[in-house]
Amino acid sequence: DAGVIQSPRHEVTEMGQEVTLRCKPISGHNSLFWYRQTMMRGLELLIYFNNNVPIDDSGMPEDRFSAKMPNASFSTLKIQPSEPRDSAVYFCASSSGQGFRGTEAFFGQGTRLTVV
Amino acid sequence: AQSVAQPEDQVNVAEGNPLTVKCTYSVSGNPYLFWYVQYPNRGLQFLLKYITGDNLVKGSYGFEAEFNKSQTSFHLKKPSALVSDSALYFCAVRDAGAGNNRKLIWGLGTSLAVNP
Repeated sequence: DAGVIQSPRHEVTEMGQEVTLRCKPISGHNSLFWYRQTMMRGLELLIYFNNNVPIDDSGMPEDRFSAKMPNASFSTLKIQPSEPRDSAVYFCASSSGQGFRGTEAFFGQGTRLTVV
Repeated sequence: AQSVAQPEDQVNVAEGNPLTVKCTYSVSGNPYLFWYVQYPNRGLQFLLKYITGDNLVKGSYGFEAEFNKSQTSFHLKKPSALVSDSALYFCAVRDAGAGNNRKLIWGLGTSLAVNP
């Protein structure tokens, strides 16, 4: 398995532009997580899905952020409009619950977003 | 409220010496505990977990961790450090009794530097 695949790896955009980050989870995994990592705040959970349904989006910073999971093999995180303070590394992770909450998550390589 | 504390921002150790990276947690029920490692410009990689059973858990790359319920700790250890172990280490916890909630609570990370 290729693992969790994120694209793009790097994104530089101008303030006000729309940014879309993409994630392909590991095949067969039914939970998907979006994280943001910054030096100031560390690792923050933005949202997670279980069986394509958003379960907890309490970490989404504001309405400019939205996430979708139209099917089991694809998810997007969109920021519109983007702001310089959104600059961070965004990670996607997936896990196979199979009814057992102790399973670990597998992370993608991350997307480094820079908003100028 | 659930929380994880990694009291040391940075740990320095000489190659060949034993290393310990500390983690304490707080959950209302029984914990599921995880350690992840992050190398520069990479995603997080799973190292080991405690779910139930033996308090001493062995993981990848020669790492192990000991679950101590009375001290609510889950310190990461390795008998002999390698320079290649230099990375950022994250501890995370999930409440085993939290229904179907798969949300992990993360520590802020500890930077481990192994000096040759």
